[in-house]
Amino acid sequence: DAKTTQPPSMDCAEGRAANLPCNHSTISGNEYVYWYRQIHSQGPQYIIHGLKNNETNEMASLIITEDRKSSTLILPHATLRDTAVYYCIVLANFGNEKLTFGTGTRLTIIP
Amino acid sequence: ETGVTQTPRHLVMGMTNKKSLKCEQHLGHNAMYWYKQSAKKPLELMFVYNFKEQTENNSVPSRFSPECPNSSHLFLHLHTLQPEDSALYLCASSQDGASGGGEQFFGPGTRLTVL
Repeated sequence: DAKTTQPPSMDCAEGRAANLPCNHSTISGNEYVYWYRQIHSQGPQYIIHGLKNNETNEMASLIITEDRKSSTLILPHATLRDTAVYYCIVLANFGNEKLTFGTGTRLTIIP
Repeated sequence: ETGVTQTPRHLVMGMTNKKSLKCEQHLGHNAMYWYKQSAKKPLELMFVYNFKEQTENNSVPSRFSPECPNSSHLFLHLHTLQPEDSALYLCASSQDGASGGGEQFFGPGTRLTVL
């Protein structure tokens, strides 16, 4: 059973904020939300992760709802180089769980 | 540049050939991973090594044989592969695989074609 649900594709205009949603309604208390992206024919790239507080780094912001059942990855000023498949993954940071990549959201930045 | 390198970047081999994929990480990490990504399919975890010990084999056929001589190097030895094994093979590393390995650093991958 998939732990996360993401829209298969999204478009965003260059220079605008890209908001990528993820549903994880069965998330456990010890599971983090991770975001990765994969640009065509490259290896996945870690973006950000969080537990319950909102997080921000140089790449993106992660907004997690209070009930932790969903989250949004925000790319504040999307560029053409942000065109990629974005993966939302829930993972406990302790134990034997491993990253499981689903099908993600294919984000296309439109010039 | 992620600190994880893979060679070769592209490989074409026949079904009777033996070849090896190499991965090296320069991050001081203790866990290394092999993933397979077939066309239009999600990434599949193949093997996990933690402190040079294999901790996970995700039901991978024996024609794929991993080797981890030290924490910085990981190999995937290939023999008698099938055309359906054609895929992008990705190596990754993380600080510690036992604690989930959520923040992984991936190499650029080896694009393998089996004829």
